[in-house]
Amino acid sequence: ETGVTQSPTHLIKTRGQQVTLRCSSQSGHNTVSWYQQALGQGPQFIFQYYREEENGRGNFPPRFSGLQFPNYSSELNVNALELDDSALYLCASSSRGDTEAFFGQGTRLTVV
Amino acid sequence: AQSVAQPEDQVNVAEGNPLTVKCTYSVSGNPYLFWYVQYPNRGLQFLLKYITGDNLVKGSYGFEAEFNKSQTSFHLKKPSALVSDSALYFCAVRPLWELTFGSGTQLTVLP
Repeated sequence: ETGVTQSPTHLIKTRGQQVTLRCSSQSGHNTVSWYQQALGQGPQFIFQYYREEENGRGNFPPRFSGLQFPNYSSELNVNALELDDSALYLCASSSRGDTEAFFGQGTRLTVV
Repeated sequence: AQSVAQPEDQVNVAEGNPLTVKCTYSVSGNPYLFWYVQYPNRGLQFLLKYITGDNLVKGSYGFEAEFNKSQTSFHLKKPSALVSDSALYFCAVRPLWELTFGSGTQLTVLP
């Protein structure tokens, strides 16, 4: 098991609502990345945070936003939920300069 | 832009036989290449990586991968498959900070 924990593990939201997903990074890691994994697909990069600043972003609209806190934990916020936002959301932590990232178990979001 | 292709959605192999899961990549510059495994309802688990050096990389649980620059491939291999190896395998490339994943290959090891 990695030291990356995500909460909640599952949740169901209604279209148009807002959701916040949380991630605690592994001890000693200062970089957090978020990925969206739709059913039957590989994970897609959403964005990365390093020292509380967004450090890179994938092809996701602005209604996907995030935060990183001084303890390096992170949040992913999604506004105006759409049915296509239903997916497994994965958080990965690493240290700047390290090559591999370690993933949490994910949050399964269902939008109805 | 970088990309990763996993040409096989499904690979079936008998227990005890060797297995290969294929991956090809496209990236400018020197690639950082990775294999991750995903068990049902779980996150991704790191298996191995290629950064530089020896083209044959050894990883967790007896897996290894061979980097071939001329063929832009990074195939995952194991000499003797176990039923417990059955899972979804992802190849990924990291051009800078983020990972770009392939679509995944479902490996089924038959007893």
